[in-house]
Amino acid sequence: AQSVTQLDSHVSVSEGTPVLLRCNYSSSYSPSLFWYVQHPNKGLQLLLKYTSAATLVKGINGFEAEFKKSETSFHLTKPSAHMSDAAEYFCAASGRALTFGSGTRLQVQP
Amino acid sequence: GAVVSQHPSRVICKSGTSVKIECRSLDFQATTMFWYRQFPKKSLMLMATSNEGSKATYEQGVEKDKFLINHASLTLSTLTVTSAHPEDSSFYICSASWRGETQYFGPGTRLLVL
Repeated sequence: AQSVTQLDSHVSVSEGTPVLLRCNYSSSYSPSLFWYVQHPNKGLQLLLKYTSAATLVKGINGFEAEFKKSETSFHLTKPSAHMSDAAEYFCAASGRALTFGSGTRLQVQP
Repeated sequence: GAVVSQHPSRVICKSGTSVKIECRSLDFQATTMFWYRQFPKKSLMLMATSNEGSKATYEQGVEKDKFLINHASLTLSTLTVTSAHPEDSSFYICSASWRGETQYFGPGTRLLVL
């Protein structure tokens, strides 16, 4: 069975400081991995995806994620947080369908 | 590219009535569409997967007679909540993909059953 664990349910950072959202996965194979962002009462927007090419994946809005097979991790980072980054972030792994983590709410303080 | 729309964005209905939600892929053909349900402050729960022209595959615990899914074309899937009850109130999100590639999500439909 496949599972995705987002280690923090809530992360708070100050505007202009780095963002780190953690995600670990468990799978019997190397899945494709995704990060999605959801703003209140909206659908999910794809930030980036890893599909066994480069382990460092660059996405939209300055986000990037690094796939580390040895650590079964796919953490999302951004060098400098912006107020507009405040949202819910979901890590997901591909399979028959997407397996989602429980989500991390990112709060950005002015 | 890869835009998915949902209609309506919000619907309020009386208990016992049926509600239809449409999911459309606007600029690509979707061989597979997925329907999710999201409870407040929770992650997405996959309800069913539908492939164009065939019956939907429902996840365990999802009532197929209550949540009717039709995927009649490569750009349209519908979810009908039959005989809706207050406990069906939720945020329903669809996604679409082409041949198992990345899923692109619609903006969601907020259903409130009174």
